[in-house]
Amino acid sequence: QSVLTQPPSVSGAPGQRVPISCTGSSSNIGAGYDVHWYQQVPGAAPKLLIYGNSNRPSGVPDRFSGSKSGTSASLAITGLQADDEGDYYCQSYDSSLSAWVFGGGTKLTV
Amino acid sequence: EVQLVESGGGLVQPGGSLRLSCAASGFTFSTYSWNWVRQAPGKGLEWVSYISTSSGTMYYAESVKGRFTISRDNAKNSLYLQMNSPRAEDTAVYYCARMSSGSWFVNWYFDLWGRGTLVTVSS
Repeated sequence: QSVLTQPPSVSGAPGQRVPISCTGSSSNIGAGYDVHWYQQVPGAAPKLLIYGNSNRPSGVPDRFSGSKSGTSASLAITGLQADDEGDYYCQSYDSSLSAWVFGGGTKLTV
Repeated sequence: EVQLVESGGGLVQPGGSLRLSCAASGFTFSTYSWNWVRQAPGKGLEWVSYISTSSGTMYYAESVKGRFTISRDNAKNSLYLQMNSPRAEDTAVYYCARMSSGSWFVNWYFDLWGRGTLVTVSS
C-alpha cells in the first residue's frame, strides 16, 4: 500500500488529454512538500518528467504539465501520442516515515 | 556523455551478501548526493537509501535499515550498496539515482537514473 495513491490505469485516444491524479495526506503533499513525476516506458529506467509540482526539465515537451492543490497533485498529458505509453509515478517526501515516497504508479494506454 | 551504469546484481541466497556498484561518468560525481531506488518485479518504485556528498549523512528505508549499507568513492566516481542478510522480498531491480539539490531536503527529487541491476534473492 503506497503512501501516495494513484489510479492503477488510465487510457486515451491519440490526440486526447488525460489526467493522472496523486493523492496524499497531511504528512506529505498536504504538508506543503513538492510533488515530482516520473515516466517509465517498458523496459527502461524511470525518467524525470516534472519537478517542483509544475516544472519541466529541459527536453520534456510542454504537452506534459503538473499541478498541486491541498493534499493532491495531478499530471496532465495533452495531445496523446503512442510513445507516451508507459507507467507514471508521483513522488514526494513523507515526514511520518522520514522517507522519500512514490505513488503506486499509473499505467497509461494510448 | 552523462551515464550511470549499475553492476553487481545476480542470484544471492537468503542470508548471504551482495555488493552493488554504480559507475558515473560525464559529470562531476562528487558534487551530488546519491540514492538507491528499487523496483520489485511488476511493482512500483521504492526509495532504499541516501548518501550525502561527503558521506557524512546516510538515510535508509525502514525495510532495509540494519541490513544494507550505502557508500561512495568520489575518487572513483562510484556509488555502492552492500546488501547483507537479504530476504526474498529484497528481490528487485536496483537503480542508482542522482539527487537534486536545494535548500530544503523534503523537496529533493531524482534527476538522473541508471538502467538498473537485477537482484534475485532465492535458495
